[in-house]
Formats: sequence, structure tokens, C-alpha cells
Amino acid sequence: GDSVTQMEGPVTLSEEAFLTINCTYTATGYPSLFWYVQYPGEGLQLLLKATKADDKGSNKGFEATYRKETTSFHLEKGSVQVSDSAVYFCALRVIGDDKIIFGKGTRLHILP
Amino acid sequence: DGGITQSPKYLFRKEGQNVTLSCEQNLNHDAMYWYRQDPGQGLRLIYYSQIVNDFQKGDIAEGYSVSREKKESFPLTVTSAQKNPTAFYLCASSIRPDTDRIINYGYTFGSGTRLTVV
Repeated sequence: GDSVTQMEGPVTLSEEAFLTINCTYTATGYPSLFWYVQYPGEGLQLLLKATKADDKGSNKGFEATYRKETTSFHLEKGSVQVSDSAVYFCALRVIGDDKIIFGKGTRLHILP
Repeated sequence: DGGITQSPKYLFRKEGQNVTLSCEQNLNHDAMYWYRQDPGQGLRLIYYSQIVNDFQKGDIAEGYSVSREKKESFPLTVTSAQKNPTAFYLCASSIRPDTDRIINYGYTFGSGTRLTVV
């Protein structure tokens, strides 16, 4: 079945460091890909998305490129801030499927 | 502004009691979902509904019940049969899945309800 695998956390970085959170997927159809962010005590918010191969989603300095050849959608940010500390979820959706498939989440800690 | 509202934010339950968590949306979304999140864990699907008066079990439906009498509302009841109900509960909504447009849409989430059994 369809699935999402993302790197286990927690990931701890210093402020202004470069961030990569790896995400790979398996899908029988042609999925859309998403990154969600969850700040402490809150629900999930859509961070960015990409709906076809080679699309780049971007928001708040975060970027992810839909790589069909490697079935990946890695999240990157050039210079992280303390306020980026949160849990990040990679997810996919396939036409005809009534549910989004989520990865297990990666907790990110940014040290000042 | 359109959105999805969960209430209450914090809820305390005595063992043996049923409690109902509220989820209301004004986004005109057809589909609604309930997830459970335990500390340090991912999301686990409890129930979902694609249309009024219809719903399906998710991966961990035992000990929970839902209703979908109105498009805007999808309350979740945590029954006394749920052995370990302490968790963070998230409600989400989306446009109806059986359209080609769905590929462009994710979920909109509420801010969650933290349930604690005392």
C-alpha cells in the first residue's frame, strides 16, 4: 500500500544552520505531496505542497522538490530559527483515495 | 474567516465516563476526520466521514463513536470502552475526495483537544 517514510528525530540544530528532513514515499498512483508543521500544543498546519514531478513547494523559507525518479520530497531551509522548532510531517494523497497518508513526524529542536 | 473549531481545548474525564469532543467547520467541506496523537507519536485515524449520515472506521475505532448529522459537525464520543483514552485528539476536514481536484488539497486541521483521564 501507499506509505511515507521520514527520518526519525529528534533533529537538533543551532540557529542559522542548514536543515534537511528526508522524506521518501511509495504510491501506486501519482500522488500529491505535502509537508505539515505542528507547533507545541497545536494542530497541524499546511507548510507547502507539490502536485507533480519537479514542482517545488515553498513557504516561510522552507522548500521541497517533488522528485519522481527518487520518490522523494525532502524538506530544506537555508537558515533555521528558534521559532522553527516543531514537528514536521510529510504526507501524500492519491486521486481516488479518501485519506491522506502521513509519515510519523520528525521533531526539530533549534538551539539559540 | 473560515476554519475548523475544536472544543474544549482541555478535557478531563473520570474513568468509566463517556465524553464528547466537538468539531465544527465552516469551510463547506464534505469530508471530516478524527485522529489521535500520543506523545512523540504520529497520527492514528479513528473515524472519517465523506458525506452527511455516513462514516467509516479508521485504524483504531474501538472504544470510540461518531455521528455526522450535519455537514458542519462531526462530534467524537470517547466511551468507557476505550481503555487508554488520554491523548491529543485532532479533527480535520477536506473537500470531497471523489473529485479530480482532490489532488491539490490537503486537510485543514483544528487546534486539537487534549483529553486526560483522572
